[in-house]
Amino acid sequence: DVVVTQSPLSLSVTLGQPASISCRSSQSLVYITGHTYLHWFLQRPGQSPRRLIYQVSNRDSGVPDRFSGSGSGTDFTLKIDRVEAEDVGVYYCMQGTHSPFSFGPGTRLDLK
Amino acid sequence: QGLLVESGGGLVEPGGSLRLSCAASGFDFADHYMAWFRQTPGQGLEWISYISQTGGDILYADSVKGRFTISRDNTKNSFHLQMNSLKIEDTAVYYCASEPRTGDYWGQGTLVTVSS
Repeated sequence: DVVVTQSPLSLSVTLGQPASISCRSSQSLVYITGHTYLHWFLQRPGQSPRRLIYQVSNRDSGVPDRFSGSGSGTDFTLKIDRVEAEDVGVYYCMQGTHSPFSFGPGTRLDLK
Repeated sequence: QGLLVESGGGLVEPGGSLRLSCAASGFDFADHYMAWFRQTPGQGLEWISYISQTGGDILYADSVKGRFTISRDNTKNSFHLQMNSLKIEDTAVYYCASEPRTGDYWGQGTLVTVSS
């Protein structure tokens, strides 16, 4: 099974400052079709996970452009250019390339 | 924008059964793979099963194989998770979602508690 790790596990950021989260997988996430099924989700307190970024770098509809995703193979990064109050929550990366699909442990972001 | 609404969670004793349902709207349900995930405080987020558009492709995580059964009814835009032989470690919030490989839409979750 593919193991997904994230770092850091917690992040305390000042409003308006940038933030970056790393996600690593134990195997390449390039699927036989050439697609890379690595996605980023945000789970706000008391809510279900909401996808922000799909297939490494594609922002979902309604996601502010301060969020960006990058990476390839086994190493991926989510960046927030300027953290806002609504960005508080737990960020998860998820791989959908190899079944069983799996998630990282989550990175908790709060405000300093 | 897709909407998914789960139902059927609750309290059940170890060894008991529950049937979760997920009602879909706002997208072409019959055109999509659908999936169940769950979340526990200790184990985080876990994919547990998916089903293809016609039900011909079904997969389960090892943790639930042989105990859980996924099914769907495209005429009612809904799909289900029959959970048998429930264990204490199955206690979790269960989410239905579209497209297991990409996790497009998620429901709000339904809590399943297995306890005596």
